[in-house]
Amino acid sequence: DAGVIQSPRHEVTEMGQEVTLRCKPISGHDYLFWYRQTMMRGLELLIYFNNNVPIDDSGMPEDRFSAKMPNASFSTLKIQPSEPRDSAVYFCASSYGGVSYNEQFFGPGTRLTVL
Amino acid sequence: GQQVMQIPQYQHVQEGEDFTTYCNSSTTLSNIQWYKQRPGGHPVFLIQLVKSGEVKKQKRLTFQFGEAKKNSSLHITATQTTDVGTYFCAGRGYGGSQGNLIFGKGTKLSVKP
Repeated sequence: DAGVIQSPRHEVTEMGQEVTLRCKPISGHDYLFWYRQTMMRGLELLIYFNNNVPIDDSGMPEDRFSAKMPNASFSTLKIQPSEPRDSAVYFCASSYGGVSYNEQFFGPGTRLTVL
Repeated sequence: GQQVMQIPQYQHVQEGEDFTTYCNSSTTLSNIQWYKQRPGGHPVFLIQLVKSGEVKKQKRLTFQFGEAKKNSSLHITATQTTDVGTYFCAGRGYGGSQGNLIFGKGTKLSVKP
């Protein structure tokens, strides 16, 4: 299994530009999570989906952030317009809700730098 | 809302010394998970504790879940340089779905050879 796949691995953009982060979860997993990690705030849950439906987006910082999951094998996190304070590592994770473990498998992350 | 506090934030040890990180929740947890993140890497699941007072071991790592299910600890015996990284606890409250996993801010462990 290839694990959770994220792209791009690194993104450098200028303030005001649109940024789209992509994630392919592990096949068969029915939960998908988007996290943001910074030194100051640690690991924050932004939004998660169950069976492609957004369940909790209370962690999304503001309207500039949006996430979609059009099918079971693809999700996007979009920031428009981007700001320097959005600079962080964004992780996608997936899990299977049918087992008692509920272990989350994290992707390698996208390191976003907004200049 | 539910909060998970983790201490210490940083720990520097000499190789061979023991290491412990502590996790405390503001509310009773249904279960708690531990993850390790190597420098430049992503969090990797280590273990899940579910039962009150549960103790689990993985080689040199010992995980404990408090009797009240509000605190947990990870203890590493005789640290090695391969133990370097940040250790996170993540607690899940009662009710809701598995999305209610709240991560502590982690303890960053450095090991001096």
